[in-house]
Amino acid sequence: KQEVTQIPAALSVPEGENLVLNCSFTDSAIYNLQWFRQDPGKGLTSLLLIQSSQREQTSGRLNASLDKSSGRSTLYIAASQPGDSATYLCAFKAAGNKLTFGGGTRVLVKP
Amino acid sequence: EPEVTQTPSHQVTQMGQEVILRCVPISNHLYFYWYRQILGQKVEFLVSFYNNEISEKSEIFDDQFSVERPDGSNFTLKIRSTKLEDSAMYFCASSQGQGSNQPQHFGDGTRLSIL
Repeated sequence: KQEVTQIPAALSVPEGENLVLNCSFTDSAIYNLQWFRQDPGKGLTSLLLIQSSQREQTSGRLNASLDKSSGRSTLYIAASQPGDSATYLCAFKAAGNKLTFGGGTRVLVKP
Repeated sequence: EPEVTQTPSHQVTQMGQEVILRCVPISNHLYFYWYRQILGQKVEFLVSFYNNEISEKSEIFDDQFSVERPDGSNFTLKIRSTKLEDSAMYFCASSQGQGSNQPQHFGDGTRLSIL
């Protein structure tokens, strides 16, 4: 059974510091991996998708990397801002339909 | 930018009652999904739907659950006889395809509270 783990569960940083969020998965038969942002009581906003053939994807201050051999993905957020405070979720997709989610990392960026 | 819309945002229902959660997926998307998130827990897959059929479902999606695309725009999740443990946030999602480059796009969710 696929397991997706995100450590740490919570992270607090001062504004301007770079954020590093980790996601690990147990199944090497990855199809793609999506990173989402979730604000309290809200839905999931897709941030980045990395295909299994890719090593990284970038969008603005966000960069996500993928290492299939070690079963890890990392989301980097450069020069964090208070508006980056949210829960970040990674979701693994094998061939098929469903996404398997990690438990999320709750981020607080202090002004 | 097109988005997935869900109604209602919050539904309160008595245990044992039927509830229907509604979703309007992004218009050119062909694959539709329901997920749920019990408070404090991970987001869990319930069901996927393509070409008017269920393409995959989880063990959570038992006979109490059903999905339907009643017209060209709506996608619904019905729970026939709600239980207390059905209380959760329910998310609808859609994708254009199933390729590795196709993200799933999520709505803002319906918070279902069973009393």
